[in-house]
Amino acid sequence: DAGITQSPRHKVTETGTPVTLRCHQTENHRYMYWYRQDPGHGLRLIHYSYGVKDTDKGEVSDGYSVSRSKTEDFLLTLESATSSQTSVYFCAISESLAGGPGEQYFGPGTRLTVT
Amino acid sequence: SQQGEEDPQALSIQEGENATMNCSYKTSINNLQWYRQNSGRGLVHLILIRSNEREKHSGRLRVTLDTSKKSSSLLITASRAADTASYFCATDRGSSYKLIFGSGTRLLVRP
Repeated sequence: DAGITQSPRHKVTETGTPVTLRCHQTENHRYMYWYRQDPGHGLRLIHYSYGVKDTDKGEVSDGYSVSRSKTEDFLLTLESATSSQTSVYFCAISESLAGGPGEQYFGPGTRLTVT
Repeated sequence: SQQGEEDPQALSIQEGENATMNCSYKTSINNLQWYRQNSGRGLVHLILIRSNEREKHSGRLRVTLDTSKKSSSLLITASRAADTASYFCATDRGSSYKLIFGSGTRLLVRP
């Protein structure tokens, strides 16, 4: 398995509280991604990073922020958690290929429940 | 909105049979990728096919790409119970580093 870990693996939190999820890689890959996976929606991109301190929004970024101060760490913060953010969150890493994105390696996921 | 859409949404076959899943997309791509997800786990990359390729093989997997129809298919031959999983296609919409995933096909292989 690619060296990618997520923490915590499970979290239950209350509506309105801030939550931070961590993704850590040991592969020195340039690109890092945060997705959420919900039944019926597949995998949706929240935010991604193309280098240290370089991040951009994905398709479902509202209510989320990210930071990448080191190559190996990519943090996802839910500024004020809502029940609609109950989901499974996956981090992924990749390198680009000539002419397109390379394969992505996924972490084990974080199951977040907002009550 | 989803870029790739898989069809069918669910597929149930007997062990030993072949499984075919299809993916359609809407915009030009650099490459198309297929991933597998076992229940409760992260996605695992299966195969990448570039826009200038028409067919690619990896073990029991065969992927085809028809850019004129904006569609791809994944064929798993001689299926096994261990192939039971969800399968996703992902396209890049011309991006160099971003993928958009479809909602997947759930495959059940009955022993």
